[in-house]
Amino acid sequence: SQQGEEDPQALSIQEGENATMNCSYKTSINNLQWYRQNSGRGLVHLILIRSNEREKHSGRLRVTLDTSKKSSSLLITASRAADTASYFCATARAGGTSYGKLTFGQGTILTVHP
Amino acid sequence: EAGVAQSPRYKIIEKRQSVAFWCNPISGHATLYWYQQILGQGPKLLIQFQNNGVVDDSQLPKDRFSAERLKGVDSTLKIQPAKLEDSAVYLCASSLTGSRPPGEQYFGPGTRLTVT
Repeated sequence: SQQGEEDPQALSIQEGENATMNCSYKTSINNLQWYRQNSGRGLVHLILIRSNEREKHSGRLRVTLDTSKKSSSLLITASRAADTASYFCATARAGGTSYGKLTFGQGTILTVHP
Repeated sequence: EAGVAQSPRYKIIEKRQSVAFWCNPISGHATLYWYQQILGQGPKLLIQFQNNGVVDDSQLPKDRFSAERLKGVDSTLKIQPAKLEDSAVYLCASSLTGSRPPGEQYFGPGTRLTVT
């Protein structure tokens, strides 16, 4: 079963607006990663946040992690049409038989209108 | 640096036929992953190799799927015989190390398989 669940499933915004996607998970994690997938392409790694970190920035991306709520959010500021893609969170569990494995959520489809 | 290469990009076969996918990871990457991505879902790990040894194949349907990574570089994923529910995109990814916990993975463009 999928570890991470993204919300919303789809998001439609205008260019220049901010986009926020959320990810919830069920078990303790060591790190959480966000990936982008353009239509018909492979996934591209965006950012990794460790369980002992609360916030991380990379360019126009801001990721937060709340381990007490088992949730993360990805904020894309000043969105562009080129940001149109599916965004996935992936969790690396802290232990158990799945240790060392990434588990992906269902993804959020972001559409940015010019 | 060249990315992860996969071929073919598209494949259409009839059910009960066999099919093979090929992956060439980024040079020097010790760990190679095969994922299955069904339309509308996130990728699901099928098998993970560390060099040429299998680290995790717990979600690989071993009655019909097989994979190998000879010499710790290229890898082949085979399905025999294919079922309709195998229609999906098969993604290959690699990472520099098989560290635990896992770090960044680099994905290829994928092979879109349609089983009719």
